[in-house]
Amino acid sequence: GAGVSQTPSNKVTEKGKYVELRCDPISGHTALYWYRQSLGQGPEFLIYFQGTGAADDSGLPNDRFFAVRPEGSVSTLKIQRTERGDSAVYLCASSLTLGEFTGELFFGEGSRLTVL
Amino acid sequence: DQQVKQNSPSLSVQEGRISILNCDYTNSMFDYFLWYKKYPAEGPTFLISISSIKDKNEDGRFTVFLNKSAKHLSLHIVPSQPGDSAVYFCAASDNAGNMLTFGGGTRLMVKP
Repeated sequence: GAGVSQTPSNKVTEKGKYVELRCDPISGHTALYWYRQSLGQGPEFLIYFQGTGAADDSGLPNDRFFAVRPEGSVSTLKIQRTERGDSAVYLCASSLTLGEFTGELFFGEGSRLTVL
Repeated sequence: DQQVKQNSPSLSVQEGRISILNCDYTNSMFDYFLWYKKYPAEGPTFLISISSIKDKNEDGRFTVFLNKSAKHLSLHIVPSQPGDSAVYFCAASDNAGNMLTFGGGTRLMVKP
């Protein structure tokens, strides 16, 4: 499809396990974002990539969270030693950044992570 | 500390009437504001935006109003339709970075 694709759509894991969430952005979009949405709340910024580099990772909650985008397209969000509080929907978004930031992001459907 | 707040978690409106969704912010550095709409099991989709140099932006049935002195913005939907039933998120950016700060959302229900 032409939209942002995220896999898996659902992931159930046990406390302490390692998890990877994948995002395939819209072709040609240079900017890629990860957000986290907890139940009843709005999306919360985690990290932003411009090309291959993480331009802003100020939203990552701690060093258990890490994200990569090695070839400037697909990105993987990695969570080590998962905790129950990590349970949320992880949203990926991309945008074609030309000039000034407009805030118009294209979101995927999200990966729902449940940590038991 | 929430920088963007949507104080009404839900709103119910009759079809054909006006829906007014409100949003308040605290960060005076915000200079660009957006509304996103989210259906269940889907990602948020961009709806409408407004720059801080304007006080109104209109797109069809959707109008966003910005009151900078009050740090308040609102989204008006006229006339409301059942297909507008969704969760609406207000978001803001300060253009110093490339991130959006979202409010907690308002669930709109438009009754036929």
